[in-house]
Amino acid sequence: NAGVTQTPKFQVLKTGQSMTLQCAQDMNHEYMSWYRQDPGMGLRLIHYSVGAGITDQGEVPNGYNVSRSTTEDFPLRLLSAAPSQTSVYFCATRRGNVKDTQYFGPGTRLTVL
Amino acid sequence: DQQVKQNSPSLSVQEGRISILNCDYTNSMFDYFLWYKKYPAEGPTFLISISSIKDKNEDGRFTVFLNKSAKHLSLHIVPSQPGDSAVYFCAARTAGGTSYGKLTFGQGTILTVHP
Repeated sequence: NAGVTQTPKFQVLKTGQSMTLQCAQDMNHEYMSWYRQDPGMGLRLIHYSVGAGITDQGEVPNGYNVSRSTTEDFPLRLLSAAPSQTSVYFCATRRGNVKDTQYFGPGTRLTVL
Repeated sequence: DQQVKQNSPSLSVQEGRISILNCDYTNSMFDYFLWYKKYPAEGPTFLISISSIKDKNEDGRFTVFLNKSAKHLSLHIVPSQPGDSAVYFCAARTAGGTSYGKLTFGQGTILTVHP
């Protein structure tokens, strides 16, 4: 039981490049979400999904796309990376009940030059 | 607009003493509050929570207090241990059917417990 896994752990991109941050969970959780952590800003919600085929925007969605074709996977796509997207990205999952605990992955540290 | 604020970026405490971390919020629609703890190079982990219908919740060395009229909550750690050194995030959950339990986080407070 791996819980929540994220790949890669580190990534350096050039401005304008695209990439996908991977998130996978083996807990059969319905709710998955992506956050970014920036100094002095805490954790901000980018996108979330309440189940396969259903996604919605969070607080800071611009520049990011998501899809949820399976329960297990919730990839985050950067279409054209910008230096402002330099951050640490966390994926989190939770069972369907809103009262359940949210579990976070170990994070991906992204630098955009 | 920062709906959840942790105004102290850092806190330094001696081992064995009490650590008090504070959090303020502005949105009266928040119905549930949580504290997460984060070590370097790891994801945040859930620590303790409190419902808006309570004013105190205790779990071992950790106690969370909620003052709804002041829109303020605090986390007390007694006694503090060096292993408690981490970043602590306050989070609040939005009530309501379409919110899906989304969490809004504060900026975090770095706690350092000195031996």
